Amino acid sequence: EVQLVQSGAEVKKPGESLRISCKVSGYRFSRYWIGWVRQMPGKGLEWMGIIFPGDSDTRYGPSFEGHVSMSVDKSSDTTFLQWNNLKESDTAIYYCARHEEFEGVMAFDYWGQGTLVTVSS
Amino acid sequence: DILLTQSPSSLSASVGDGVTISCRPSQNISIYFNWYQQKVMKAPKLLIHGAVNLQSGVPSRFSGSGTGTDFTLTITNLQPEDFATYYCQQTYSTPGTFGQGTKVEVK
Repeated sequence: EVQLVQSGAEVKKPGESLRISCKVSGYRFSRYWIGWVRQMPGKGLEWMGIIFPGDSDTRYGPSFEGHVSMSVDKSSDTTFLQWNNLKESDTAIYYCARHEEFEGVMAFDYWGQGTLVTVSS
Repeated sequence: DILLTQSPSSLSASVGDGVTISCRPSQNISIYFNWYQQKVMKAPKLLIHGAVNLQSGVPSRFSGSGTGTDFTLTITNLQPEDFATYYCQQTYSTPGTFGQGTKVEVK
């Protein structure tokens, strides 16, 4: 069974650093892109970026490039999303999701449960 | 970035009704297009990929149509568990942008 299990909720102050995780199981980690999606309070879904665990190739959305970084640890089948300088506007739920290819069309087919990040002074 | 315009932003319906949701990309994206359902405080769920293909396990009352710059999600015989927010997404190019969502509420 494919599962993506994310780390727990976090409360941080502006300017602090944070790394959240997404551990996968039930499939070959290195073969599928993993994406991150942001959902700010009461808002819609935003595509942040994707990473390919096989070689750590990464694509960031323009709104997120330079503010977050994605990485993987192949030894633990885990993907990370990291901030070095949190802002209050980073308060959101963050989802990881597996990026599957269906006859050439990519889609997020399995999702983590979400990690709530609250940034407040 | 490719902009996706969903309509309506919300709609009210009753159990047993049929509903349609539209999504229009700002440029031709062929069939690189998906629909997701999100219930309150839950992760999104893939419903349809490639514009018309039902994801495994999704009930057949859900269907997708369209290509290029005009896509539609249709739900027939609305069930209580279908009241949720629906998002379209394009994966023609990165970033894989989402529509703003359509909330299907109980009338």
